[in-house]
Amino acid sequence: NAGVMQNPRHLVRRRGQEARLRCSPMKGHSHVYWYRQLPEEGLKFMVYLQKENIIDESGMPKERFSAEFPKEGPSILRIQQVVRGDSAAYFCASSPGLAGTDTQYFGPGTRLTVL
Amino acid sequence: AQSVTQLDSQVPVFEEAPVELRCNYSSSVSVYLFWYVQYPNQGLQLLLKYLSGSTLVKGINGFEAEFNKSQTSFHLRKPSVHISDTAEYFCAVSGSFRDTGRRALTFGSGTRLQVQP
Repeated sequence: NAGVMQNPRHLVRRRGQEARLRCSPMKGHSHVYWYRQLPEEGLKFMVYLQKENIIDESGMPKERFSAEFPKEGPSILRIQQVVRGDSAAYFCASSPGLAGTDTQYFGPGTRLTVL
Repeated sequence: AQSVTQLDSQVPVFEEAPVELRCNYSSSVSVYLFWYVQYPNQGLQLLLKYLSGSTLVKGINGFEAEFNKSQTSFHLRKPSVHISDTAEYFCAVSGSFRDTGRRALTFGSGTRLQVQP
């Protein structure tokens, strides 16, 4: 049973470009979460999605950031017009979303570097 | 709102010595508690979790943690550490979806465990 997949593992962008990060949840999981880890800090929640729905985006910056989880295909975190402060590790997690459990399983992360 | 405090940013320890990594949380509702480990340049791996029931929770790699509701703590322990335990350890909390309407995890800032020979 494959775990959570993220690609690319490393992404380099110049200021002003777009970054697109992909996440494929574990088989059977319909809930996806995105977190950001700045250097020397813990993970901060960004957004929680189910198929075709954004459930909680309280941690998303108001501008330039968007996320989707289409009916088919991976979840996408999109950052437009990247700035140096966007350099971080972005982690995706998934869960089955069943009542009584909130265990989230994490992918290996995408490390974004903005030059 | 929920928050997690990991009191020690770094914990150096000698191989085969015991270790305790401290975690305190605050929450106005019942919580689920987790410890994750992160090896260099890797994702987070679940060590153990407390959802309900017995307050002493056993996890992988010989780790265990005890939920103490009165002290709002969930400290992680291992009786004898190995070099391979060197990593970053994160404590995290979430509330039940029914209470909070949210599933997001709130993480502490992490504790770097450095096991020395």
